[in-house]
Order: sequence, then C-alpha cells, then structure tokens
Amino acid sequence: DAGVTQSPTHLIKTRGQQVTLRCSPKSGHDTVSWYQQALGQGPQFIFQYYEEEERQRGNFPDRFSGHQFPNYSSELNVNALLLGDSALYLCASSFGQGREKLFFGSGTQLSVL
Amino acid sequence: DQQVKQNSPSLSVQEGRISILNCDYTNSMFDYFLWYKKYPAEGPTFLISISSIKDKNEDGRFTVFLNKSAKHLSLHIVPSQPGDSAVYFCAASGYNTNAGKSTFGDGTTLTVKP
Repeated sequence: DAGVTQSPTHLIKTRGQQVTLRCSPKSGHDTVSWYQQALGQGPQFIFQYYEEEERQRGNFPDRFSGHQFPNYSSELNVNALLLGDSALYLCASSFGQGREKLFFGSGTQLSVL
Repeated sequence: DQQVKQNSPSLSVQEGRISILNCDYTNSMFDYFLWYKKYPAEGPTFLISISSIKDKNEDGRFTVFLNKSAKHLSLHIVPSQPGDSAVYFCAASGYNTNAGKSTFGDGTTLTVKP
C-alpha cells in the first residue's frame, strides 16, 4: 500500500519563476492538504482540497494556488517566486475533512535563488 | 501570534528514562490535539492524539496528557529509546472553520542517549 508520494524531491528555481509540485495521496484518502515548513519551524497550513475544491486556506498570498484531480492527486503552484518561498513543502492526505490524523509525504525541498 | 507553542527547542534524556515534551496553545476553539514525530528527510508521522473530552490517552510507551484549563498538553515517553530520537511536533485542530486545518508548533528535538 503506497503512502503519500511527492515529486520532485528537490527543486531549484530563481526569483520570479513559477513552480508546480505534485502529490499523490495514500490509497483510500480523498483529502489533500499542503503545508510549508521553513527551516527550524513547524509546518504551516497553506490550503486543503476536497472534492476537487479548495475548502480551507491559510494565510498565504494568491501566488499560491492548487488543484485536485478526480483521482484525488493534487498540485501546488507558486507564481512569482520570492527568496522567502524557499522551504520544504509537505503534502498530507486524510479521509474526509475532519480533524483526524494526517499522513505526510517526504516533501519537496524548494530553493529559490 | 503563534497559537501553538513548544517552548523547548531541544531535550536530551538517557535511555530508559522518561521523556516529557510540552506544548501550550492559546486558541480555545482547538479541541483535538495530535503529536507527530519527524526523522530527517522524512515527513512527519502521526504518533498519538487526544480529544478535548479526555485528559489522558495512552498508547504503549506514549501517553498524552491534556490540561484544558491551562491550555497545556504534554507527551510522555516511557521508557525512552535511542530510536525515539527525532523532532516532535504538537498540532491542534478544531471544529468548523478549523476542521481539517492543523496548526503546528515549531517542534522539540529529542535526543535519547544510549
């Protein structure tokens, strides 16, 4: 049973570019959440997708957008990259929108130069 | 304003002894709390959780205590093992607008010495 998979593992971009990160949830899960983890900090909630719609959103600018596909996989897009966007981006899946535990992928390490 | 705080960035204990990790929260709308463990180059892994209707939940060597009046929870690991060395995150979520949106602390790095 595959867990949560994310791609790519590492990514290097320059300021102003755009990036797309991908996530496949754990089998049987229908909800995908994205988190940003800066060095030395805990994961910060970006948004959550359920039934192909954004259901919850954290305090992130509109440069951060996402999508969920019918097979429940998801993409995170970041436009006009800033140096401060350098972080580990974690995808987490769960069943339903509830308060239950999250299953995380290993993350995508994004470096913006 | 950080709503979930882990005030100890690191903790070192001897193998076999008890590890106590602490977490404080400020948002009274939180009613479900979780602990995650994270090894380097891996995503966080769920460890144990507790609902606000309880004050204690136990799972093997891991016990979480919740003090609602103090808005404080703690994770006890007994006995501690070297394999427990990792970063531990406290997280909180709640009903309605907070459902499905977990708020994390900044983590405590636990080192268990053989």
